Amino acid sequence: DQQVKQNSPSLSVQEGRISILNCDYTNSMFDYFLWYKKYPAEGPTFLISISSIKDKNEDGRFTVFLNKSAKHLSLHIVPSQPGDSAVYFCAASAKPTGAGSYQLTFGKGTKLSVIP
Amino acid sequence: DGGITQSPKYLFRKEGQNVTLSCEQNLNHDAMYWYRQDPGQGLRLIYYSQIVNDFQKGDIAEGYSVSREKKESFPLTVTSAQKNPTAFYLCASSPEDRGTNEQFFGPGTRLTVL
Repeated sequence: DQQVKQNSPSLSVQEGRISILNCDYTNSMFDYFLWYKKYPAEGPTFLISISSIKDKNEDGRFTVFLNKSAKHLSLHIVPSQPGDSAVYFCAASAKPTGAGSYQLTFGKGTKLSVIP
Repeated sequence: DGGITQSPKYLFRKEGQNVTLSCEQNLNHDAMYWYRQDPGQGLRLIYYSQIVNDFQKGDIAEGYSVSREKKESFPLTVTSAQKNPTAFYLCASSPEDRGTNEQFFGPGTRLTVL
C-alpha cells in the first residue's frame, strides 16, 4: 500500500510559467515532508522541506504548500526554467518510535519537462 | 569537500555472482541508507544503519546484505539470491540529531546483471 502518492507521472510546462507538482499521503503520523530533484543517472538532491506545523515554506522560486486536513502537499516552481527539467520526488517521514531511525517514504516521482 | 561517494558508477555481473557496492561518506553522519530505484518507481529502502555495528532491514532486504564496521562506510552486497538485481542503487546518509530527516544522496551505482 503506497503511503506517498504522486499521481502524475509526468508534467510539461512552458518556460516562464508555473509548475505545480502534487503529492498525497495516507499516513497521518507523517510530520515532515521533503521534495527531492533527480537528474538521470544521478542521486537525488534535496530541494525544499516543510514541517507539519507549517502550511507554507518558500525558498526562492520554490514554494511548498501543505494541507494537512486533505493530506496533500504541492510544490510550486515559479518561473519554470529549462534547467528545472528533472524527476521530482515527494518524501515523508514520521518521528521514530523509541530508538528507531528517521526513515523517508518516497513517492514514485513526477517527471517535469520545461519547454523553452 | 564533504559528500557521499559510490563506486563504481556502472557495474556488470553475471547471473549467480555476488557483487559489493561501495558507499563512503565524510559528512560525519551517523545514519546511512541503501535504496533501490527501478524505472517508474520511487526509492525503496533496502537496509539502513543508525550506528556502527548495527543495521536494520528495510522494505526489500531479501537477497541483500550489509555491514557497518566504520562510521564512514556502508557497503551493500547483492547476493545471487536476489531475484531481480538489475537496478539503480543509491546510498544516503543523514545526521540523526538534526531532526529534519533530510538525507543526502550519493551519485548512485547502476548494476546490470547479464
